[in-house]
Amino acid sequence: DIVMTQTPLSLSVTPGQPASISCKSSQSLLHSDGKTYLYWYLQKPGQSPQLLIYEVSSRFSGVPDRFSGSGSGTDFTLKISRVEAEDVGVYYCMQGIHLPPTFGQGTKVEIK
Amino acid sequence: EVQLVESGGGLVQPGGSLRLSCSASGFTFSSYAMHWVRQAPGKGLEYVSAISSNGGSTYYADSVKGRFTISRDNSKNTLYLQMSSLRAEDTAVYYCVKGVAAAGTGIDYWGQGTLVTVSS
Repeated sequence: DIVMTQTPLSLSVTPGQPASISCKSSQSLLHSDGKTYLYWYLQKPGQSPQLLIYEVSSRFSGVPDRFSGSGSGTDFTLKISRVEAEDVGVYYCMQGIHLPPTFGQGTKVEIK
Repeated sequence: EVQLVESGGGLVQPGGSLRLSCSASGFTFSSYAMHWVRQAPGKGLEYVSAISSNGGSTYYADSVKGRFTISRDNSKNTLYLQMSSLRAEDTAVYYCVKGVAAAGTGIDYWGQGTLVTVSS
């Protein structure tokens, strides 16, 4: 199985400041169709996960533009340009190119 | 609005069986693959199973293969997960998740989850 490794595992951010989460995969996520199947999800406290970013950098419907994704191959990053209180929770990356889909360990983001 | 509502969770003894259901609305259910993902208490996310839009193709994680069966009824907009020979390590919140296409592993909308507890 592809191993997804996130860093850091926890992050404490002052509101209005940027935040960045790294996700590295043990194999390339670039498919022969030219797409890279890397997703980002946020699980807010007490809620189910919600999709933020798909295929590395495309924001899902309704996701604020302060969230952005980048990367290629095996190295990926989720950035929040200005963290807001509602952004607290656990962020997961997931690869969708090889079965089974696998998730990173999660990065817990809290507000200072 | 996409809605996924799971039901059927509960307390079951080791070795027992349980069937989870997921009622879907707000999208053309028969056009999308559907998935189950679970989360043990205080832990991360684990992919469990998937079924293609027409039910013709299924996938199971090694941890549940031979014990769980995924199915769907497109006439009822409902997804199922039949779980048997349950073990303590199957204790988790089980999420029903919508796929982004008729097949494949991309997932977008998640249900609220149903808790399965395997304990004597």
